[in-house]
Amino acid sequence: GESVGLHLPTLSVQEGDNSIINCAYSNSASDYFIWYKQESGKGPQFIIDIRSNMDKRQGQRVTVLLNKTVKHLSLQIAATQPGDSAVYFCAIRGSQGNLIFGKGTKLSVKP
Amino acid sequence: IAGITQAPTSQILAAGRRMTLRCTQDMRHNAMYWYRQDLGLGLRLIHYSNTAGTTGKGEVPDGYSVSRANTDDFPLTLASAVPSQTSVYFCASSPSGGLYEQYFGPGTRLTVT
Repeated sequence: GESVGLHLPTLSVQEGDNSIINCAYSNSASDYFIWYKQESGKGPQFIIDIRSNMDKRQGQRVTVLLNKTVKHLSLQIAATQPGDSAVYFCAIRGSQGNLIFGKGTKLSVKP
Repeated sequence: IAGITQAPTSQILAAGRRMTLRCTQDMRHNAMYWYRQDLGLGLRLIHYSNTAGTTGKGEVPDGYSVSRANTDDFPLTLASAVPSQTSVYFCASSPSGGLYEQYFGPGTRLTVT
């Protein structure tokens, strides 16, 4: 079946450093990938997405990299700030049009 | 424009009681979804609807039902609540079931005692 795994459940970085959060997925036919940020007590908030015909996409301070060969997805956050502290989820589009989520990485930013 | 609203924000419910969680979106999105979020398990799909009048089962549908009478509303009903349904429930919507981001509501925290 389709699944999404995460490499690290927690990540701690120094303010100003770059953060890298990784995901692995099982279905090589997956065509859409997305990253969400979830702050405590709130719903997931869209960060950035990428389609399978791309291997890199950049947003404001964020970059998503897709390696379809090894079925790996990563989110890079440049110059991490205290406001970036949250749980980050990767997700892939499932066969029903839904999103299949990984279990999340909790990012802590040290001042 | 509110996006997606959910009600109630939180609820404590006795086991065996019936409960409907409400979800309304004002973005005229065709697709809507219900997820539950449990510690250590991420978000799991309960039911979905790709367009008004149609619904489908997700990964964990047992004990839940949904209806989609119109585009804006997608209520989730627990016919007879059990403690294992204690969770945080999120409603989401997207323009369609295709390659689009999903927008999430603020969630309903449900405790079944």
